[in-house]
Amino acid sequence: DQQVKQNSPSLSVQEGRISILNCDYTNSMFDYFLWYKKYPAEGPTFLISISSIKDKNEDGRFTVFLNKSAKHLSLHIVPSQPGDSAVYFCAATSSFRSGSARQLTFGSGTQLTVLP
Amino acid sequence: DGGITQSPKYLFRKEGQNVTLSCEQNLNHDAMYWYRQDPGQGLRLIYYSQIVNDFQKGDIAEGYSVSREKKESFPLTVTSAQKNPTAFYLCASRTTGTGYGYTFGSGTRLTVV
Repeated sequence: DQQVKQNSPSLSVQEGRISILNCDYTNSMFDYFLWYKKYPAEGPTFLISISSIKDKNEDGRFTVFLNKSAKHLSLHIVPSQPGDSAVYFCAATSSFRSGSARQLTFGSGTQLTVLP
Repeated sequence: DGGITQSPKYLFRKEGQNVTLSCEQNLNHDAMYWYRQDPGQGLRLIYYSQIVNDFQKGDIAEGYSVSREKKESFPLTVTSAQKNPTAFYLCASRTTGTGYGYTFGSGTRLTVV
């Protein structure tokens, strides 16, 4: 049972336009969400996160929106650049779990391709 | 620079052989994790360890074994019992403080030939 779902395996966007990557979750205990970016043959790197006490978090070109009632979050990249082409993973965890037990549950990833 | 080192980057194994993937971190993190990435399936948790000499099974532990004799090291052995071992393996670590995020290594691509 996938608790974190990224239903779009791939997305292509023109350079300069907005990229919107979506993520849904089913576990009501999840209250902290992260996005990771991964290039081929490399480990994922942290991009941006959001706590459930917020509905938006912004960092430069990256904004994450959280809709708790819909159990949905999205990552907006504006403007998209060719260097943004990578696999993006959504991850979730619960602050109710303590210490090292605070594991991340990952979605299956979305391959973003930004076309020049 | 602090970080996580995984070695080797590419590994080939014959069917029926055990192979050990190395993961070393100098971040002074308490928790360490092993994930497997397959196309279309994201990252699946194999094993994790919260402290030295303790580790727990993740979602897909069958055919794998780990040890945590030192805080810095968390090697993963892929045994011959693992039916489909060809994959990209990622090691991660995390502080047991208030942070949520992981630091990942650069991964090991294992191919069974």
